[in-house]
Amino acid sequence: GAVVSQHPSWVICKSGTSVKIECRSLDFQATTMFWYRQFPKQSLMLMATSNEGSKATYEQGVEKDKFLINHASLTLSTLTVTSAHPEDSSFYICSARALVKRYEQYFGPGTRLTVT
Amino acid sequence: EDQVTQSPEALRLQEGESSSLNCSYTVSGLRGLFWYRQDPGKGPEFLFTLYSAGEEKEKERLKATLTKKESFLHITAPKPEDSATYLCAVSSNDYKLSFGAGTTVTVRA
Repeated sequence: GAVVSQHPSWVICKSGTSVKIECRSLDFQATTMFWYRQFPKQSLMLMATSNEGSKATYEQGVEKDKFLINHASLTLSTLTVTSAHPEDSSFYICSARALVKRYEQYFGPGTRLTVT
Repeated sequence: EDQVTQSPEALRLQEGESSSLNCSYTVSGLRGLFWYRQDPGKGPEFLFTLYSAGEEKEKERLKATLTKKESFLHITAPKPEDSATYLCAVSSNDYKLSFGAGTTVTVRA
């Protein structure tokens, strides 16, 4: 149980284009979903928190107009990187918090974004 | 602000050589301490949640313990497949996780 999927697993895009990453909780309902970014050999950096049906809350320093988050249902959240630039290249990981186990987060497999 | 410090940064073990990883934390109102395993190029895999001092959890060769200031992840008789980065995280009142930098464990056959 507690499986989270992400799609795509990797994507290459050209500078200036937008990319959408999907995060789905497959076998549970997620009250809250989180989006993280991870640079090589570094730990996870929280970008934003999203609750179903409400606006995402962004961490300090994260541009909300660049990283658009939509939490359309209790099983789906999307992250859109708008007008991507090479510095946006990174490993993006989502996690989901289940209704039942209040503080545990289950992570997706991650999406490797490369902007050329 | 919640703080999590993991040590050592890297640990090289011979197969069968037991060892422990440390996670020290400062948090206002601990709601849970979590251990995850992360393999290269993958998302973290949930291992354990510990909620209160004195609590212990076990899974195969791994055992996690918790005190009021730190947590230990004990690896007993490790195998090469236990090689990974082990992440410790804490959650306080807002459900967010604060992660440590991780300990990279390499187990040689």
